[in-house]
Order: sequence, then structure tokens, then C-alpha cells
Amino acid sequence: NAGVTQTPKFRVLKTGQSMTLLCAQDMNHEYMYWYRQDPGMGLRLIHYSVGEGTTAKGEVPDGYNVSRLKKQNFLLGLESAAPSQTSVYFCASSLAGVNEQFFGPGTRLTVL
Amino acid sequence: GESVGLHLPTLSVQEGDNSIINCAYSNSASDYFIWYKQESGKGPQFIIDIRSNMDKRQGQRVTVLLNKTVKHLSLQIAATQPGDSAVYFCAENRWVEGGKLIFGQGTELSVKP
Repeated sequence: NAGVTQTPKFRVLKTGQSMTLLCAQDMNHEYMYWYRQDPGMGLRLIHYSVGEGTTAKGEVPDGYNVSRLKKQNFLLGLESAAPSQTSVYFCASSLAGVNEQFFGPGTRLTVL
Repeated sequence: GESVGLHLPTLSVQEGDNSIINCAYSNSASDYFIWYKQESGKGPQFIIDIRSNMDKRQGQRVTVLLNKTVKHLSLQIAATQPGDSAVYFCAENRWVEGGKLIFGQGTELSVKP
């Protein structure tokens, strides 16, 4: 099993550009999450999904959109990137009702 | 506001010694408290969790203690090894909100050989 994979690993955007980050998991997990991690800080939840076709807002959802069209994939979109969105983005997944979340390797995004 | 925070940002220990990493929380309604380990350049990795109605839970070389009276959580690592060097985060899990993790700031553990 590949576990949780994220695409791309690195990306540089200019202010105002858009992009989509892809997260995929092959563990048949129901729940999926998107976090961002800023330097020296813990992770903050952006959006999450408890099942295919459902999404919900986390702590810091502004400026991001998500979609979960397939159970194994969770997409994070930035419609108009801002320098404040420079961060490392982590995707995670878990079984329903289980505390252990499995994290991907992260995507390092820089917005100039 | 509600938060999960850590007392110390860095901790340096000698190989073979025991490590204790502390965490304070403010939300008494949390269901579980969880410890994650994050090595440089990687995503966090689950270590151990404890339900809010428990005081202690042990794993392999790790013990988590929960003191609800003072809203304090600690992670004890026995016989610390160089491979334990990482940033450790405590997190609060709120199942009523779909399993959302609220992370603390993190403590960087450095193990001296």
C-alpha cells in the first residue's frame, strides 16, 4: 500500500494564480482531512470530509475549497493564491471513529 | 479561545534518559488526546492516544498521563534514543465535529548521543 500520497510535492505560485492539490489514499478510509502547517507551529485544519460527496469547514477554511468526488481522493483548491497561503499542506485520512490519522508527506507551497 | 498548547518549545536529553513532554489544554469537553511525532520533512505520525475518562495509558516505551484537574497532558518516553529526535505535538480530538484534530504548537526533542 502506498498509504497517503500528495501531488505535487513543491509548487511556487504568483499572487492571484489558482491551483489544486491532490490527495489520494489506498486504505479505504472514510475520513479525509487537509491541514496547513506554518513554521514553528502545529497543524491547523482547513477542511475535512467524512465521506464521499461530503465536506465541512475546519479552523481556517477561508480562501480554500475542497471536493471529494471519489472516496480515495480529496482535492484542495486555491482560487486566488495569496502570500499568506505560503505554507506546507498535509493531507490525512482515517477510518471512521478511529483516532489515528495517517498523514501524507506534505506539499510545500510558496506564493510570491 | 479554545486551544491546546505546550509548555516548552525545546527539550534536550541524553541518550538513554527518560523524556517528558508536557501539554496544557483548555477544552474540558474533548473526547481524546493524542500525541503525534513529526520528523523533519515528514508528515506527523500517530504515537498514542488517551480517552478523556482515563488517567494513564502505556504503549511501547511511551506513557501518556492525563490530569483533568489541571488540564495537563504529558508524554513520557523511556530510554530515549536518537531516533526519537523529532517535534512532538499533542492534539485534541473532537469526535462530535467529525474527528477534527486541534494541534498544539509542538516541542522539539533533541537526543544527544
